[in-house]
Amino acid sequence: KQEVTQIPAALSVPEGENLVLNCSFTDSAIYNLQWFRQDPGKGLTSLLLIQSSQREQTSGRLNASLDKSSGRSTLYIAASQPGDSATYLCAVPNDYKLSFGAGTTVTVRA
Amino acid sequence: DAGVTQSPTHLIKTRGQHVTLRCSPISGHKSVSWYQQVLGQGPQFIFQYYEKEERGRGNFPDRFSARQFPNYSSELNVNALLLGDSALYLCASSLWGPTDTQYFGPGTRLTVL
Repeated sequence: KQEVTQIPAALSVPEGENLVLNCSFTDSAIYNLQWFRQDPGKGLTSLLLIQSSQREQTSGRLNASLDKSSGRSTLYIAASQPGDSATYLCAVPNDYKLSFGAGTTVTVRA
Repeated sequence: DAGVTQSPTHLIKTRGQHVTLRCSPISGHKSVSWYQQVLGQGPQFIFQYYEKEERGRGNFPDRFSARQFPNYSSELNVNALLLGDSALYLCASSLWGPTDTQYFGPGTRLTVL
């Protein structure tokens, strides 16, 4: 059974600092890994999908790395802004579903 | 292009009632999945449909049912509502299934009193 964990559950940083968000998974035989952003009470917005054959995927200030052998992915957000405040979730496909972590709630202080 | 739409956005029901939630996927997407998210947790899988057939079912009681229509829209039905069914219900669409990029709707907030 695939278990996905995100630590820490919450993070507070001053504006301009780089953010490092962690995601770990127990079964390394993954097809890909997807990162999402969720604003309070809203749906999920896809940020990046990184295939199992990739080591990194970049989109603007976002960079996701994947290390299948160690069961870890990291999402880096450069030069954080107050608008980056949200909950960030990672998920891996598992049978017919996505298995999600509980998320890391980020607060960027102005 | 329109994204995934869900209706209604909010719903208040009482215990024992029945509810129907609706989802319209992105045009061209044939897969629809339903998730339940309670506060502070990640979404939990309920159902996945592809080409009108149920492909997967999560660990939810038989009170939960769903279907997908010929236009690929979907309904989630919950019977005999319990207080614990209060949650944000999310619909996700994709071209084929969970290995594709998943696009989520805004969700339906269900409150059971």
